[in-house]
Amino acid sequence: GAGVSQSPSNKVTEKGKDVELRCDPISGHTALYWYRQSLGQGLEFLIYFQGNSAPDKSGLPSDRFSAERTGGSVSTLTIQRTQQEDSAVYLCASSLGSASNQPQHFGDGTRLSIL
Amino acid sequence: QKEVEQNSGPLSVPEGAIASLNCTYSDRVSQSFFWYRQYSGKSPELIMSIYSNGDKEDGRFTAQLNKASQYVSLLIRDSQPSDSATYLCAVPAYNTDKLIFGTGTRLQVFP
Repeated sequence: GAGVSQSPSNKVTEKGKDVELRCDPISGHTALYWYRQSLGQGLEFLIYFQGNSAPDKSGLPSDRFSAERTGGSVSTLTIQRTQQEDSAVYLCASSLGSASNQPQHFGDGTRLSIL
Repeated sequence: QKEVEQNSGPLSVPEGAIASLNCTYSDRVSQSFFWYRQYSGKSPELIMSIYSNGDKEDGRFTAQLNKASQYVSLLIRDSQPSDSATYLCAVPAYNTDKLIFGTGTRLQVFP
């Protein structure tokens, strides 16, 4: 079946602009995660959605970052007033249930470059 | 102590050898452990899950879990140059639904 789908695959924008990144999880997966990975660095957790529960936003680096998940499926990560330090690969992952016993499956990511 | 620790490497092994990658974790109650492979410029790909003490084999890969010592390892037999990648260990964070990822070990398999 289809895996996690992210769009766009690449995004180049000017500093100060807003960007929206999209993630379509694997069908039936209730959990959805956003991560950020800067060049040569590890995965930085951003936000987590599980079913209809309130999202865990503990990893969002500033109030310029927000995310929503509509209908328990597609998620959008929005970065307002982008800064150069926002340049990174943004990865989305989904899992069938809780991370305590279900692996996460990653999309190909969106490579974001802020000029 | 970091929640999940890995040696950053690089770990260099010759083709055909066994590569041994190690990961230690701090949460004694963790029940699930995952190994991901990440090629340069690509996203992480799940290669192994392990939930019980002991060994779990899948093709050339063997995951080993020792909960008493709080480590999990990944053995790659008959290493190939195509195995050259960064290997990430992931463990659920205590009392949450999040995975904590190690920073990864870079493996280089040379012909």
